[in-house]
Amino acid sequence: AQSVAQPEDQVNVAEGNPLTVKCTYSVSGNPYLFWYVQYPNRGLQFLLKYITGDNLVKGSYGFEAEFNKSQTSFHLKKPSALVSDSALYFCAVRDKAGGYQKVTFGIGTKLQVIP
Amino acid sequence: GAGVSQSPSNKVTEKGKDVELRCDPISGHTALYWYRQSLGQGLEFLIYFQGNSAPDKSGLPSDRFSAERTGGSVSTLTIQRTQQEDSAVYLCASSLAFSGPYNEQFFGPGTRLTVL
Repeated sequence: AQSVAQPEDQVNVAEGNPLTVKCTYSVSGNPYLFWYVQYPNRGLQFLLKYITGDNLVKGSYGFEAEFNKSQTSFHLKKPSALVSDSALYFCAVRDKAGGYQKVTFGIGTKLQVIP
Repeated sequence: GAGVSQSPSNKVTEKGKDVELRCDPISGHTALYWYRQSLGQGLEFLIYFQGNSAPDKSGLPSDRFSAERTGGSVSTLTIQRTQQEDSAVYLCASSLAFSGPYNEQFFGPGTRLTVL
């Protein structure tokens, strides 16, 4: 069964510093990986996805993520954090099993950017 | 265009009552998903629909939970004889043609259910 792990409940970073939110996955076939963000009192929004090709994918709001097959990781990164980036971040994976229909989410990582 | 909408936005009910939660997906999205978000628990998959069909119901927590979708559009999640542990935010999402693994999901704002 596919699974996603987000090992950090919370990440604190100073404004202007680079940030990383970690995600590792386990699937039976090729992974299709996603990051979503949930701002306070708002629904989840899609940030970026990895399907195939370049291991570094770029998404909304200056975020990017690096796919590492050997480490089964898909960490979210941003070169310079903004206070407005403070939110809850979810990593998700689709797997070939079940025809890609089931999407498994991690438990989420709360990002706190300190002014 | 219009996004995914859910109603009601908030629902407070008494233990033992039945509740219905509604989801209106983005027009043309054939795949529809229900999740439950509890504090500290992340997103728990409940059920998904391909058109009006639900191939995987394994995520439904108990037989008190059921869901249907009609006309390939609106979906209703019903919880019978609600319990306090059902209190959570129920999220609905839709995505394009179900055969695409690369299709991201579009989420609604959620329904916050509180069972007293």
